[in-house]
Amino acid sequence: AQSVTQLGSHVSVSEGALVLLRCNYSSSVPPYLFWYVQYPNQGLQLLLKYTSAATLVKGINGFEAEFKKSETSFHLTKPSAHMSDAAEYFCAVSLAGGTSYGKLTFGQGTILTVHP
Amino acid sequence: KAGVTQTPRYLIKTRGQQVTLSCSPISGHRSVSWYQQTPGQGLQFLFEYFSETQRNKGNFPGRFSGRQFSNSRSEMNVSTLELGDSALYLCASTLTGGPEGELFFGEGSRLTVL
Repeated sequence: AQSVTQLGSHVSVSEGALVLLRCNYSSSVPPYLFWYVQYPNQGLQLLLKYTSAATLVKGINGFEAEFKKSETSFHLTKPSAHMSDAAEYFCAVSLAGGTSYGKLTFGQGTILTVHP
Repeated sequence: KAGVTQTPRYLIKTRGQQVTLSCSPISGHRSVSWYQQTPGQGLQFLFEYFSETQRNKGNFPGRFSGRQFSNSRSEMNVSTLELGDSALYLCASTLTGGPEGELFFGEGSRLTVL
């Protein structure tokens, strides 16, 4: 079975500072990994995904994440935070095979606050 | 291209009642998944449908059911509502439902059970 752990339920940064949101996964087979963002009263929007092509994945809005197999991590970063980045971020994993149809296993989420 | 549409957006029910939520996927998407989001349990997978067949199911009681129509639209039903069923129910669609694909989420239906 797969699982996802997001370290830190709340992260606070100043505008212009580095954003680092941590995600570790547990999987018995190579996973597909995703980062989603959720703004208040909205659904989830994909930021980026890892599907075994390149270990450094670039996404929308200046976000990127690096897949590190040895550390079973997929941390999300952005060099310079913007006020509009304030939202809740979810790391998610899926596995190859029929048991994964439509199924993502999500972390508990990290609420990002950006201070002016 | 229209996104995933969920109706109703908000609803209030009382314990013991039942509720039906609707989801219209993105045009051309044949896989529809449902998720429950609560502050305590987070995002949990309910089930997935593809071409009117349930292919995958999460760990929820039988009170939670769903179906998909020939036009890929989907409904989920919760019977005998309990207070703990209060949640945001999210629908997501994708072309095939494969594990590598992006799920496109709707804005959700927020259910409050009194």
